[in-house]
Amino acid sequence: KAGVTQTPRYLIKTRGQQVTLSCSPISGHRSVSWYQQTPGQGLQFLFEYFSETQRNKGNFPGRFSGRQFSNSRSEMNVSTLELGDSALYLCASSLGLAGYNEQFFGPGTRLTVL
Amino acid sequence: ELKVEQNPLFLSMQEGKNYTIYCNYSTTSDRLYWYRQDPGKSLESLFVLLSNGAVKQEGRLMASLDTKARLSTLHITAAVHDLSATYFCAVTTSGTYKYIFGTGTRLKVLA
Repeated sequence: KAGVTQTPRYLIKTRGQQVTLSCSPISGHRSVSWYQQTPGQGLQFLFEYFSETQRNKGNFPGRFSGRQFSNSRSEMNVSTLELGDSALYLCASSLGLAGYNEQFFGPGTRLTVL
Repeated sequence: ELKVEQNPLFLSMQEGKNYTIYCNYSTTSDRLYWYRQDPGKSLESLFVLLSNGAVKQEGRLMASLDTKARLSTLHITAAVHDLSATYFCAVTTSGTYKYIFGTGTRLKVLA
């Protein structure tokens, strides 16, 4: 059974640009959550999508947005990039809502903002 | 707001020794998870603990949960170098159903 996949694995952008990250969940999983990991802040929850609807949201500015498609694949978008957005972005999938189900993580996308 | 604290943050130990990582959380939680992360890699699920008194073991790692004390422990027995990694606990909150991660414990096992 294929695991969670994320593309691209590495990205380099400059301040002010925008970026879109993609996540394909494990087959049959309907929930996708996104996390930002930095050395200073640790693992922080961004948002969770289930059945194409955002079900939970963390404390991030509106520059961070996401969506989920009918096949459960999810994208995350960051607009007007700032240096502090440099991080490892992890996607996780679960059968149902993350609060009730174990999450499985993808390999991550490492974003560097110059 | 749910807070999850781990200690220690850093742990350097000799091969063959035993040690325990602690995970404290501040409010009622439905379930607790332990994950492992190798440098530059993603998170690997280790244990899922669902009820008070739950104990799970895999190899040299054993996890337990005390919901009354709001405490989980990850015990390492006879550590080996391959266990060097960062270990995270995570809890889900009753009501909001978010996953909240602990600060992580960076473990280094010295040969």
